[in-house]
Amino acid sequence: SAVISQKPSRDICQRGTSLTIQCQVDSQVTMMFWYRQQPGQSLTLIATANQGSEATYESGFVIDKFPISRPNLTFSTLTVSNMSPEDSSIYLCSVESTVYNEQFFGPGTRLTVL
Amino acid sequence: AQKITQTQPGMFVQEKEAVTLDCTYDTSDPSYGLFWYKQPSSGEMIFLIYQGSYDQQNATEGRYSLNFQKARKSANLVISASQLGDSAMYFCAMRRLNTGNQFYFGTGTSLTVIP
Repeated sequence: SAVISQKPSRDICQRGTSLTIQCQVDSQVTMMFWYRQQPGQSLTLIATANQGSEATYESGFVIDKFPISRPNLTFSTLTVSNMSPEDSSIYLCSVESTVYNEQFFGPGTRLTVL
Repeated sequence: AQKITQTQPGMFVQEKEAVTLDCTYDTSDPSYGLFWYKQPSSGEMIFLIYQGSYDQQNATEGRYSLNFQKARKSANLVISASQLGDSAMYFCAMRRLNTGNQFYFGTGTSLTVIP
């Protein structure tokens, strides 16, 4: 299974600012995924990030609000821009396994926006 | 649209007893995978078990087993000999295997193991 790390693990931010979350994988992967988990809720896919191309965003998520970079096969960043308290969530990155096509998740970034 | 339903927001089980967490799904796609994840209070998502739509036998992985009833579109997770460390949120998820990569997650069940 892939080992995934995320930075920061948690942060408290002020309204109107931006936060960039980093996701590092210990092996090369084609696709990386970013999810949001709002308090007490399930996971919602934000976007799929392929190396060398623009990220594909799910309905309800836009690039201006959640810009994503994927500079190589082991790294991706998600920026939460112009934050509001509604952005307070856990943000998780994941990669796909070739065994069962299950997804392995990073430890998550707990974001609180004041 | 694909949909995963977990009707039990919270469950309690006595330590060393077995517990079943319910999951039903809705898809018209014949090829799909069903997954269960555990999310402790620390927040990480831990993959537990997988069942493919064409698998003839129910999946098992240690103390976890999946009661797959395809005609009823249910994929219940059975945890045997519950341990205190099993207390967590449990999410059922589905992925269509031939089209797209998106995982569809249920709303989760909070399991509390009582000593």
